[in-house]
Amino acid sequence: KQEVTQIPAALSVPEGENLVLNCSFTDSAIYNLQWFRQDPGKGLTSLLLIQSSQREQTSGRLNASLDKSSGRSTLYIAASQPGDSATYLCAVRQNFGNEKLTFGTGTRLTIIP
Amino acid sequence: NAGVTQTPKFRILKIGQSMTLQCTQDMNHNYMYWYRQDPGMGLKLIYYSVGAGITDKGEVPNGYNVSRSTTEDFPLRLELAAPSQTSVYFCASNLGGLNTEAFFGQGTRLTVV
Repeated sequence: KQEVTQIPAALSVPEGENLVLNCSFTDSAIYNLQWFRQDPGKGLTSLLLIQSSQREQTSGRLNASLDKSSGRSTLYIAASQPGDSATYLCAVRQNFGNEKLTFGTGTRLTIIP
Repeated sequence: NAGVTQTPKFRILKIGQSMTLQCTQDMNHNYMYWYRQDPGMGLKLIYYSVGAGITDKGEVPNGYNVSRSTTEDFPLRLELAAPSQTSVYFCASNLGGLNTEAFFGQGTRLTVV
């Protein structure tokens, strides 16, 4: 059974710093990995989808990497801003056909002005 | 484009009552999902559908039912509500295919008292 872990559960950094969020998964037979952002009381917003054949994917100040063989992904946020404060979730898609996502429990990020 | 729309946003139920959480998407997506999110527990899949007329159980289906009579709509029915069903419920959809993003609704916060 696939298990997805995100450590740490919470992270606080000063504004302007670069930071890395971690995601690990136990079964490397995945089709893709998706990073989401969740603001308090809100739904999930897709940030990046990285395919199993890709090593990284970029969108603005965000860069996601994937090392499938070691079961790890990172989300790099450059020049952090207070508006980046949110919970970040990663999810892996494993089974083609039903396309279910298995989620980590998230990292709650606080950017200190 | 409205995306994935869930109603209601909030609801309080008494133990033993029933209700239907509504979900509709306007992206012509084949795949639709219901997740629940409990504090610190990540998202758990309740039910999913790969197309109109086809539904299947996820990880935590007990106490819930679904139907998919159209591509757009995927309602979740709670029969005989229990305190353990207090949670935030998210509906999601994606087009289908190997590497397509999942899109989420804003969630329904349900409290059973």
